[in-house]
Amino acid sequence: NAGVTQTPKFQVLKTGQSMTLQCAQDMNHEYMSWYRQDPGMGLRLIHYSVGAGITDQGEVPNGYNVSRSTTEDFPLRLLSAAPSQTSVYFCASSWGGPNEQFFGPGTRLTVL
Amino acid sequence: GDSVTQMEGPVTLSEEAFLTINCTYTATGYPSLFWYVQYPGEGLQLLLKATKADDKGSNKGFEATYRKETTSFHLEKGSVQVSDSAVYFCALPTGGKLIFGQGTELSVKP
Repeated sequence: NAGVTQTPKFQVLKTGQSMTLQCAQDMNHEYMSWYRQDPGMGLRLIHYSVGAGITDQGEVPNGYNVSRSTTEDFPLRLLSAAPSQTSVYFCASSWGGPNEQFFGPGTRLTVL
Repeated sequence: GDSVTQMEGPVTLSEEAFLTINCTYTATGYPSLFWYVQYPGEGLQLLLKATKADDKGSNKGFEATYRKETTSFHLEKGSVQVSDSAVYFCALPTGGKLIFGQGTELSVKP
């Protein structure tokens, strides 16, 4: 049981490049979410999903897209990276709602 | 809207000292309340929870009591260890999302 996995662990992008952060869970959780963590800002919700085919915006969705084609996977796409997107990104999952979330190890992204 | 407020850090303590990290909330109704911990270089882990008023959550020597009269969920530990050095987050679910406090960094010195 791997829990929540995220790839890559580290990534450096140039402004304007696109990329996808991968997130997968093997616990059959319906609820999945993406957060970004910045110094002094705590965790801010980017997007979340309550099940396959259903996604919704969180607090800071601009510049990010998500999709949920399977229960297991919830990728986060950066369409055109900007320096303001330099952050640590965490994926999380849980049963039936945003309670007792299990977090992945994070992806540290730097945009130059 | 619903919100969570934590005491600001960083907090520096000596080993075996008593720890309190304050958390207060604003919410409609009586949601579950959580404390998460983030060790250096890792993701967050659930530390403890309380699902209703007057519940006490506990884990690894940490405790927190859900007090609706003071809308608080303060985290306490009687004797901290160096291994407790981490960032602690208070959180509550609202509107299909989990919202977090700003986090309190704890550093325990030997």
